[in-house]
Order: sequence, then C-alpha cells, then structure tokens
Amino acid sequence: EVHLLESGGDFVQPGGSLRLSCAASGFTFYSHTMNWVRQAPGKGLEWVSAIRITGGNTYYIDSVKGRFTISGDNSKNTIYLQMNSLRAEDTAVYYCAKTIDESSSIFDIWGQGTMVTVSS
Amino acid sequence: QLTQSPSSLSASVGDRLTITCRASQSISIYLNWYQQKSGKAPKLLIYTTSNLQGGVPSRFSGSGSGTDFTLTISSLQPEDVATYYCQQSYTTPTFGQGTKVEIK
Repeated sequence: EVHLLESGGDFVQPGGSLRLSCAASGFTFYSHTMNWVRQAPGKGLEWVSAIRITGGNTYYIDSVKGRFTISGDNSKNTIYLQMNSLRAEDTAVYYCAKTIDESSSIFDIWGQGTMVTVSS
Repeated sequence: QLTQSPSSLSASVGDRLTITCRASQSISIYLNWYQQKSGKAPKLLIYTTSNLQGGVPSRFSGSGSGTDFTLTISSLQPEDVATYYCQQSYTTPTFGQGTKVEIK
C-alpha cells in the first residue's frame, strides 16, 4: 500500500527553524516528484515546494525562497523540508504529496499532515 | 489564478451539483479536482480535466478546457459533504479557493 507519513511539526517562535520529514513506502520513490503543500488554519491549499527525486531539481513558491530547503534521501525513501526564518504566516498544516508521475503536478497520494505553529 | 464558484452550496441528497473553476489564462486541459473532508488530507478525484482517479465513484465527472472547467456530482450523497478544490498543473501548481458542499 502506498503511504506517506509526515513528522516534525511543532510550535516555534518567529525567526526559528524546523525540519519536516516525509517517509514514503509502497512505491518506486525515484519515479515521482515529491511535494510539500500547506494549509493555513481555515484556509485553502497552497503548494510550497517540490523535488524531482531523479536529478534532484528543486522548486519553491516565491514566499519561501531563501528560507526553505527541500531535500531527499533515496536510501531512506524520505524527503525533508528545512524551514528557517519562520514567520507567523508560515503557520499551517504541511502535507507531503507525491505526483502521479515524475513530470506532472497531479498529487495522487497525500500524507496525513503535520502542524507547524509559528507564534511568540 | 483559479477562481471557483460558488464558494459554498447546500443541496439535497440526490441533487445534481456543478462547481465551476475559471482560470485567469488558458491552462489547456491541465486541471485537477480534489475532495477534502473535515480534518482530513485532500484526495484526488479527477485529473487532467476529465480522468476519474481509481476508486472514485462514477457520479463524479469533470469537463472543460482553456479557462473554464466544471466538476459535476450527478447525484449528491451524504458522504460527498466536503470542500472541493480545483488545481492547475499547467505551470507552478496553484489551487482554487475551494467550494464547501453541505447537505440541506
């Protein structure tokens, strides 16, 4: 069974850092693009970042460029999101999602999400 | 930018529902629909305008091209209570603001 499990969400002060993890199982990890999508409390969905496992190309929404870094570990079937200089507006549930294939942005499997709260 | 309408709706069991998604510029057929139930992760329903994801009931269908797209539920069921999001996969992915569906 295809499964994504996020972890690492926490309460952090503005300016702080956090690293999220997403462990994948049940599919060929390197044949897909892995993503982080977030949802602020009571709000809609916002794509944040992606990594093509094959080749390691990374992509970011403008609001997190220079602050967030996505990375992957093929040996552990895990991706990470290093979040630095966190702001209140980064408060959200962060979902890990895989694409239906390597080249698309169609998110066919999602994790259950991990909550990040940025507040003083 | 994707704009969904309506933002919310209330309908009876068995009703036919249509949710629209309008793109600010042409996205060809690269439009996907997701269902998100309260407190849960989103679930892919339809991809590339009209392709039903495996396991999704046939009462869900999608159509459109260019800038105007629709999600149709042919006969609303109680388990369809959720928020529905469109998403374009033509460029950097973006989502519509969502349509909340409730039962009367």
